[in-house]
Amino acid sequence: DTEVTQTPKHLVMGMTNKKSLKCEQHMGHRAMYWYKQKAKKPPELMFVYSYEKLSINESVPSRFSPECPNSSLLNLHLHALQPEDSALYLCASSQVKREGRGNEQFFGPGTRLTVL
Amino acid sequence: LAKTTQPISMDSYEGQEVNITCSHNNIATNDYITWYQQFPSQGPRFIIQGYKTKVTNEVASLFIPADRKSSTLSLPRVSLSDTAVYYCLVGMNRDDKIIFGKGTRLHILP
Repeated sequence: DTEVTQTPKHLVMGMTNKKSLKCEQHMGHRAMYWYKQKAKKPPELMFVYSYEKLSINESVPSRFSPECPNSSLLNLHLHALQPEDSALYLCASSQVKREGRGNEQFFGPGTRLTVL
Repeated sequence: LAKTTQPISMDSYEGQEVNITCSHNNIATNDYITWYQQFPSQGPRFIIQGYKTKVTNEVASLFIPADRKSSTLSLPRVSLSDTAVYYCLVGMNRDDKIIFGKGTRLHILP
């Protein structure tokens, strides 16, 4: 199984709502990532988890709260978002870093988020 | 992480070979070069990775000159389904971090 799944595919929420994005992989990867991608822009890294611990937070606003409950699951909790947070949210996983070479990251299809 | 420069967009025709060049003048000794492909509304997909000379897989070839300051992704006999954005990335991923550059928007015409 070389697939990363993400739910939901689409999400519309108001600025006062609380919602969560979910990501799952069964490839035994111990590094998992959240990216944000605006239209016609490259993906921007938000968070990295390594062995279920948060290792990188790219100065993301606290209205985005990641969680890694186990080695297969990654959540992104959303609260009090702004319309400018509307984007495609991508989850990815990989083996933990191997010295000297890049690790192939496997991406999910993303969740298209619209904040009204 | 080394900065990369790619053409913003390219057009080609079905059946042609397409070469996309990426410049990475400040590549470090231990950096690998990796290419990803992204279709609209999908996550990026790993295509190929190399360190020097030439790497080939079932999808593409990657040519890296001796000075490693650039690399060329070669897609043989493209089809309409190869229309996508192609990203060149350079770095050791020492901290599991990859930074996507602006990418090249490839448009294949019939």
